[in-house]
Amino acid sequence: DGGITQSPKYLFRKEGQNVTLSCEQNLNHDAMYWYRQDPGQGLRLIYYSQIVNDFQKGDIAEGYSVSREKKESFPLTVTSAQKNPTAFYLCASSIWGNNQPQHFGDGTRLSIL
Amino acid sequence: GESVGLHLPTLSVQEGDNSIINCAYSNSASDYFIWYKQESGKGPQFIIDIRSNMDKRQGQRVTVLLNKTVKHLSLQIAATQPGDSAVYFCALKGNTDKLIFGTGTRLQVFP
Repeated sequence: DGGITQSPKYLFRKEGQNVTLSCEQNLNHDAMYWYRQDPGQGLRLIYYSQIVNDFQKGDIAEGYSVSREKKESFPLTVTSAQKNPTAFYLCASSIWGNNQPQHFGDGTRLSIL
Repeated sequence: GESVGLHLPTLSVQEGDNSIINCAYSNSASDYFIWYKQESGKGPQFIIDIRSNMDKRQGQRVTVLLNKTVKHLSLQIAATQPGDSAVYFCALKGNTDKLIFGTGTRLQVFP
């Protein structure tokens, strides 16, 4: 079945450590997105990519980095510069263009050891 | 700035009743709106969308109503079932073509 796969489901980070969250999609979507979800808040955009080898900062990009080497894959690295990384991270993809819904994976929950 | 708010953080309904979940938004230029359902520990699931040239759209057991005059969006679920229990949130396209998300309403269905 077509969809978006995020891994791992749970991830623990030590102080000073970088961790990478995986996101893969087989929907043939051009656009991919990373969001952060915290309790009581709406989803906040970290980074997005409209096309391979190109990506843009979202509203809360500090402390995060991404790459888009393949259409299917959009990994997110949470760096040691992100001082409050504990959150639920969601990856989404869509057809790029006006008025297209984004479809989400099942998330990665990141916690600090 | 742009904002999206839901009217109630929690809504409790009896199984079989209709549910209505509301969203208010601030940007009158928004032209695309989406409702998502999120179950515990999972990602948001697309339910239904509506464009600003419409004021009503129906799906299977769900109806979305858009009132652009008062900048209000609602999701109606007919004959609510236990499987409908989840957090529902709206999203809309903002000035920059990116989606802006509301904080969500938790729907609880009791027998």
